Amino acid sequence: DQQVKQNSPSLSVQEGRISILNCDYTNSMFDYFLWYKKYPAEGPTFLISISSIKDKNEDGRFTVFLNKSAKHLSLHIVPSQPGDSAVYFCAASLSGAGSYQLTFGKGTKLSVIP
Amino acid sequence: DTAVSQTPKYLVTQMGNDKSIKCEQNLGHDTMYWYKQDSKKFLKIMFSYNNKELIINETVPNRFSPKSPDKAHLNLHINSLELGDSAVYFCASSPTGTREETQYFGPGTRLLVL
Repeated sequence: DQQVKQNSPSLSVQEGRISILNCDYTNSMFDYFLWYKKYPAEGPTFLISISSIKDKNEDGRFTVFLNKSAKHLSLHIVPSQPGDSAVYFCAASLSGAGSYQLTFGKGTKLSVIP
Repeated sequence: DTAVSQTPKYLVTQMGNDKSIKCEQNLGHDTMYWYKQDSKKFLKIMFSYNNKELIINETVPNRFSPKSPDKAHLNLHINSLELGDSAVYFCASSPTGTREETQYFGPGTRLLVL
């Protein structure tokens, strides 16, 4: 039962262009979302998050958009750089007991081509 | 200065053996986690400890037993290893366990059961 889905296993983008990574969720109780980035042989590292009371959060080149009605969020990276090449995981949590429990998607492998 | 460290990085063992994976964090965090990333690439939480007390125990076989000697350490002991236990196991920590906090991940332990 995949509650967080990243339907694109991979994405290739030219350096300098925009990368858009998508994530869908099925549990309407999720109200906090995060993106993690993972390089090979390393653990995931936190990138950016968004609460469901917002529809956009921006941090430098990274922007996360949330569409609650569509249960969809996306991560925009602009401009993309070769160092952004990694696997990106979308994660979600819900309020209340176990709120620290993150449910992850399968990840999308981003390749930024120089 | 590794924030969250895991040993060993690689573990190859036979079915039926008992093995342990160690995790240490030097961030002063109160909450630690174990995640499993299986062959389908899903990252799933297994356990969470807050100040040496178990707060999450997902549907994990009781062959898996976490042990927290102090709040800087959360070790994972696995009895009677099975082929399906082959995966990458990630340890993580966060300050107090709220979802707004970034979880810091270790580099992972790649377990292969033959």
